[in-house]
Amino acid sequence: DTGVSQNPRHKITKRGQNVTFRCDPISEHNRLYWYRQTLGQGPEFLTYFQNEAQLEKSRLLSDRFSAERPKGSFSTLEIQRTEQGDSAMYLCASSSLVGTARDNQPQHFGDGTRLSIL
Amino acid sequence: GNSVTQMEGPVTLSEEAFLTINCTYTATGYPSLFWYVQYPGEGLQLLLKATKADDKGSNKGFEATYRKETTSFHLEKGSVQVSDSAVYFCARKAAGNKLTFGGGTRVLVKP
Repeated sequence: DTGVSQNPRHKITKRGQNVTFRCDPISEHNRLYWYRQTLGQGPEFLTYFQNEAQLEKSRLLSDRFSAERPKGSFSTLEIQRTEQGDSAMYLCASSSLVGTARDNQPQHFGDGTRLSIL
Repeated sequence: GNSVTQMEGPVTLSEEAFLTINCTYTATGYPSLFWYVQYPGEGLQLLLKATKADDKGSNKGFEATYRKETTSFHLEKGSVQVSDSAVYFCARKAAGNKLTFGGGTRVLVKP
């Protein structure tokens, strides 16, 4: 059983550069979520997809951030013109719609991508 | 709004001690509740869950009971091990299926 896979594990970049992260969810999982976690805090929701449709975006997701899930499988999160405040762990999670309690299926998390802005 | 509050850490215990981590949530409807654990350098792993009032979630010796009357979901373990050292997050399901997390509680178990 392969879990949620995120690449890269670590990304170091200079302020102002663009970065892109990839998330491969558990196979057959319809829902995919992005969260951001800063040091010493709990994860904060950014956005989520059901299949290829982006159904919700947090206010945290400024216009420098864009997420896609073009074929309803893997997803990418791009940050343009990175700022110091973007330094964080970016977590991806997926969940299934299969089952009698569809909305209560647990989210399974990847190991995250740690972004450091110099 | 939807929020989760959990006790701040770090919590330092000796091996075989009793562990309790308090968690309370805002009462908007009857959300599903979760405990996740995060080991160093890793992502979050689901520890246990409860989907309705009075449900008890349990896993690996950990337990938590969904208490509607006190809007709480405290995590307990009767005898901790060094391998239980981690950060524990309480979470509730919010509208739109996203999770709202507490700030996390670091637990350190000493031999």
